[in-house]
Amino acid sequence: GENVEQHPSTLSVQEGDSAVIKCTYSDSASNYFPWYKQELGKRPQLIIDIRSNVGEKKDQRIAVTLNKTAKHFSLHITETQPEDSAVYFCAASISDYKLSFGAGTTVTVRA
Amino acid sequence: NAGVTQTPKFRVLKTGQSMTLLCAQDMNHEYMYWYRQDPGMGLRLIHYSVGEGTTAKGEVPDGYNVSRLKKQNFLLGLESAAPSQTSVYFCASSSGTSEVDYEQYFGPGTRLTVT
Repeated sequence: GENVEQHPSTLSVQEGDSAVIKCTYSDSASNYFPWYKQELGKRPQLIIDIRSNVGEKKDQRIAVTLNKTAKHFSLHITETQPEDSAVYFCAASISDYKLSFGAGTTVTVRA
Repeated sequence: NAGVTQTPKFRVLKTGQSMTLLCAQDMNHEYMYWYRQDPGMGLRLIHYSVGEGTTAKGEVPDGYNVSRLKKQNFLLGLESAAPSQTSVYFCASSSGTSEVDYEQYFGPGTRLTVT
């Protein structure tokens, strides 16, 4: 099955700086790559996703890049704010209904 | 719309006891999932369903059973709970009918402790 590795496991950034989280996947047939944000005690929620036919996607302060050749994708958060503090999960899917998640990255934004 | 709901929110079991977790969605989604979340291990798929009356094993199915008798409900059962099943359980659903909407919508979670 698909194996997704996520780095780093924790990330501390100064407010206003950028944060980058990287994920690698094992199955070259994977074609869908979502990112979920989970605030403390809450449910995971989708923040951005990308398909394998697109190299980059941006939504306000967040962006995702995909390198199919290297089988890795990254989440970029610019101008970080305290409300960006959360756990972020990447995932990959080779079908439209099953996701394999990374282990998560705990992001702390220091004021 | 309530989205995805789960009951109960918390539960404490003794080793060997059984229980059922209920997941309900009101979005007419075809696909439903059960995950467990443990510290440092992300979300791991236990079982899933691609439609009413269907179920399939995920990554960590041992010790769990599921049923999807109605499209809107997905039940997760623990027949004989073990301390290793202490976790937070999340249910999720996704459309399954749209090529542009793969998003999985999660429920609020159930925190289960097995002593």
